[in-house]
Amino acid sequence: EDQVTQSPEALRLQEGESSSLNCSYTVSGLRGLFWYRQDPGKGPEFLFTLYSAGEEKEKERLKATLTKKESFLHITAPKPEDSATYLCAVQAASNTGKLIFGQGTTLQVKP
Amino acid sequence: TAGITQAPTSQILAAGRSMTLRCTQDMRHNAMYWYRQDLGLGLRLIHYSNTAGTTGKGEVPDGYSVSRANTDDFPLTLASAVPSQTSVYFCASSEGGHILNEQFFGPGTRLTVL
Repeated sequence: EDQVTQSPEALRLQEGESSSLNCSYTVSGLRGLFWYRQDPGKGPEFLFTLYSAGEEKEKERLKATLTKKESFLHITAPKPEDSATYLCAVQAASNTGKLIFGQGTTLQVKP
Repeated sequence: TAGITQAPTSQILAAGRSMTLRCTQDMRHNAMYWYRQDLGLGLRLIHYSNTAGTTGKGEVPDGYSVSRANTDDFPLTLASAVPSQTSVYFCASSEGGHILNEQFFGPGTRLTVL
């Protein structure tokens, strides 16, 4: 069964304190892995797509990496405005177009 | 460009009543999706449509129905609401269901069934 697990569930950081969020997946043939950001009361906002192991993508203070079993979202020198829930999702070769989401990591960055 | 709009923003519904959640996109995307988001369970796919005129079942389809009469609209209907359908509902769209590309989400509808 295709499955996505994110850890930790919640993370509190001080402003400037770098850290990483983990997304572990079990899927029959990965077509792509997606990272989204979700602010309270809003819909998820697309961040990155990763297609194959070894791939990396960056956007401001965020960098996403991918291996054959997991993805990391590295946050460098976070600011309070980075506080949000970060969602990971995978698209399997057998689930044309459909995404399987993890439960998310809620990040709080304190000034 | 509005992207994806959903209506209503929130609703309280008596158990046993029916309701239709509306979703409209203006990006001319072929594929559309309905998810529900519950604390501790994440986003779960209810129904999807890869193109106008076709629909498919997701992970949790029971108690819900959808239609896709045209490209822009993808309404979700609860025929007889039950308390377990209390959730936040998100509509999403992407360029093509068979193409690997990102899904864009609407702002959500918060539904409470009493």
